[in-house]
Amino acid sequence: NAGVTQTPKFQVLKTGQSMTLQCAQDMNHEYMSWYRQDPGMGLRLIHYSVGAGITDQGEVPNGYNVSRSTTEDFPLRLLSAAPSQTSVYFCASSQLTGRINSPLHFGNGTRLTVT
Amino acid sequence: SQQGEEDPQALSIQEGENATMNCSYKTSINNLQWYRQNSGRGLVHLILIRSNEREKHSGRLRVTLDTSKKSSSLLITASRAADTASYFCATDAGGYNFNKFYFGSGTKLNVKP
Repeated sequence: NAGVTQTPKFQVLKTGQSMTLQCAQDMNHEYMSWYRQDPGMGLRLIHYSVGAGITDQGEVPNGYNVSRSTTEDFPLRLLSAAPSQTSVYFCASSQLTGRINSPLHFGNGTRLTVT
Repeated sequence: SQQGEEDPQALSIQEGENATMNCSYKTSINNLQWYRQNSGRGLVHLILIRSNEREKHSGRLRVTLDTSKKSSSLLITASRAADTASYFCATDAGGYNFNKFYFGSGTKLNVKP
């Protein structure tokens, strides 16, 4: 049971570089989302998707792009990395059950450092 | 941020004692959830309480919700060293925004053996 798989686990970028954080789930969940976790600030929602071809912005979307071409994958793209994007990134998925939320299933995170 | 704070930020207790942590939020919600995070890992779902519920139990966990005060509490009874982790509350944005989730800043619990 793989659940939610994030790659890579660690990444170091130079300012201005771009990269894609990968997220894949094998639970056939319609809902997928990306969060960043900074010390003392909890998790903040970056982008989310309720199905293939549908994405929407969260709390802190600037500097990030997403797309959802399949149910299983939800990559997060950093267009031009900045030191402020140094953080731990988590992908999470769940079933779509309307107003009564389903539990989020989290990956183990990608620790990104931008120098 | 959409949501408020959790308190305390850190809590240290002896094994066998009860641990209580609190969560406040700012807007109306549909549901509130509690998650646990072990160091360096992803979050794990513990319990969900709907906005029309006042109390919910799951094993050693008891969650209360007071929508008039926009607050919730998580009680862990008879704590164990394995309960050492950070605990986060999460709410949706209310109304039809039930797919947007907001997390508190977390309570770091240390249970000493």
